[in-house]
Amino acid sequence: EAGVVQSPRYKIIEKKQPVAFWCNPISGHNTLYWYLQNLGQGPELLIRYENEEAVDDSQLPKDRFSAERLKGVDSTLKIQPAELGDSAVYLCASSRSSGSGETQYFGPGTRLLVL
Amino acid sequence: GQNIDQPTEMTATEGAIVQINCTYQTSGFNGLFWYQQHAGEAPTFLSYNVLDGLEEKGRFSSFLSRSKGYSYLLLKELQMKDSASYLCAVNGGATNKLIFGTGTLLAVQP
Repeated sequence: EAGVVQSPRYKIIEKKQPVAFWCNPISGHNTLYWYLQNLGQGPELLIRYENEEAVDDSQLPKDRFSAERLKGVDSTLKIQPAELGDSAVYLCASSRSSGSGETQYFGPGTRLLVL
Repeated sequence: GQNIDQPTEMTATEGAIVQINCTYQTSGFNGLFWYQQHAGEAPTFLSYNVLDGLEEKGRFSSFLSRSKGYSYLLLKELQMKDSASYLCAVNGGATNKLIFGTGTLLAVQP
């Protein structure tokens, strides 16, 4: 079974430029998560999808960040415009459902560097 | 508020046993996860505890005491490949929203 796939693995951009990250979850997983991980820190949830519906986006900075999961499978996370402080690893995870005991499986992440 | 505490770094010797502690204060509790994360890689699932007691899985075991807001991850027969960050995460609500600690960076030395 293939794991969570993310691309690109690395991205370097200049500040004020737009950037997008893509995630393909494990087949059959209805719940998809985007996390932000700063160096030396644990992941922090940005947004959670149940199928195509964003059910928890309270931590997403909506002035510059947007996300979509149009067909309830793949998802994209966009930043426009990027700021220096956005440099971090963006992790995507998926689980079969959002039940409390469901394990979340993580992708390798996209490492973003904003110059 | 929500707070999860883990030691920042630990060092142990190959072949030895190490215990990584995690204490938490959350508004709700629906289980605690441990993940392993090697540098530059994805966090990978190690264990899940929702009831008090010890869960054993090969060289790794995890313990939970809900009354004390405390968990530990026990690693036996340490190997060099166990050098990684170990993340404690609590499901603090009705849905699967995880709150992560900062992680414990374990260095296994020969």
